[in-house]
Amino acid sequence: QVQLQESGPGLVKPSQTLSLTCTVSGGSISSGGFYWSWIRQHPGKGLEWIGYIYYTGSTFYNPSLKSRVTISVDTSKNHFSLKLSSVTAADTAVYYCARDYGGNSGLDLWGQGTLVSVSS
Amino acid sequence: DIQMTQSPSSLSGSVGDRVTITCRASQRIASYLNWYQQKPGKAPKLLIYTASNLQTGVPSRFSGSGSGSDFTLTISSLQPEDFATYYCQQTYSTPHTFGQGTKLEIK
Repeated sequence: QVQLQESGPGLVKPSQTLSLTCTVSGGSISSGGFYWSWIRQHPGKGLEWIGYIYYTGSTFYNPSLKSRVTISVDTSKNHFSLKLSSVTAADTAVYYCARDYGGNSGLDLWGQGTLVSVSS
Repeated sequence: DIQMTQSPSSLSGSVGDRVTITCRASQRIASYLNWYQQKPGKAPKLLIYTASNLQTGVPSRFSGSGSGSDFTLTISSLQPEDFATYYCQQTYSTPHTFGQGTKLEIK
């Protein structure tokens, strides 16, 4: 079955760029119909939608992060990525990748999440 | 952005109880409302999509209803494994905002 797995550094210094990759296994990221998403959760808090990408490269971002966020897809590697620039301690969170069918039918498949801490 | 407000923020229940959680959107969102369950240290799990559709594999004691701006999640008979935090999410327009969560605890 299809699985998602986040990977990337668990510690990032302030002002640097957070970079995470979500590898899709058991299925093709190019199969169509799915929007590949990033969501984060600050410690002890609720969920924040960061944005998503279609396999063609079309992206939609949360306006609150838009100036700092880039989501990209690499169909040859069957993965998609998140870059968040100029990070501060407020970006410390668990970052999840997830799959959204149709872009509006809910996030039906999630990675396990990865904690990224921003600290010097 | 569309604001999603859940109530209550927390509630307690006993095994076998019927519980209802509500979610209100700041504007009409048709039926583009999803419900998730999250347990500590785990990723959220989709329970209900587009207001009333039960995700595959989710027990039938979970149900969702509503349209427009007011929605409910109902658990017909609480089981021990249902004690968790529940979130609603609108997918009518981006950004796809979440409610603040409802923590369901054992009484």
